[in-house]
Amino acid sequence: RKEVEQDPGPFNVPEGATVAFNCTYSNSASQSFFWYRQDCRKEPKLLMSVYSSGNEDGRFTAQLNRASQYISLLIRDSKLSDSATYLCVVNGGNFNKFYFGSGTKLNVKP
Amino acid sequence: DGGITQSPKYLFRKEGQNVTLSCEQNLNHDAMYWYRQDPGQGLRLIYYSQIVNDFQKGDIAEGYSVSREKKESFPLTVTSAQKNPTAFYLCASSSPGQVSSGANVLTFGAGSRLTVL
Repeated sequence: RKEVEQDPGPFNVPEGATVAFNCTYSNSASQSFFWYRQDCRKEPKLLMSVYSSGNEDGRFTAQLNRASQYISLLIRDSKLSDSATYLCVVNGGNFNKFYFGSGTKLNVKP
Repeated sequence: DGGITQSPKYLFRKEGQNVTLSCEQNLNHDAMYWYRQDPGQGLRLIYYSQIVNDFQKGDIAEGYSVSREKKESFPLTVTSAQKNPTAFYLCASSSPGQVSSGANVLTFGAGSRLTVL
């Protein structure tokens, strides 16, 4: 079983749509959770950390459900510039090991 | 500005050759990592280092070697023993601490794209 699993997509949505990505992780001892954005042929960049209480940054909302070992990312009012691959990242209990999902590709269409 | 510098950005290698990818950081981070990414796939951990002169194998260390002689530097050598080295290689670093203070978060270099001819 993979440490982190994501729906690979692609998710094809029109501008202005709301889209949600989900991610599950297998290690119940995981301590830190993140969403990264990766543009084509570029390095991943931190989009937001995910806190137990849930957190919001503008159009982006991240939530964590420790009991179900599940992380989500909600993007409201999608922009063309949101088109990218979104990576779910989990710190695996040992703070120095990070595990990556395979990413969910988002295409926002005009 | 602080960051991670990887070089070269693009590298072509003939079969049977060893190549070394450079990774330098000025973030004063303790931990450094090398990941490999293949098209359409997630990142896989090759090696990581928590402190100078110490490093551990990741999930796909075979055919690779590293050194950590300085805190700032973590070069990766792709040896001829690596059967399928064509990939995008990413170096990253992090520091311990609370995520809420900005620590314990991975920061990446721009990557090195290796192609075997």
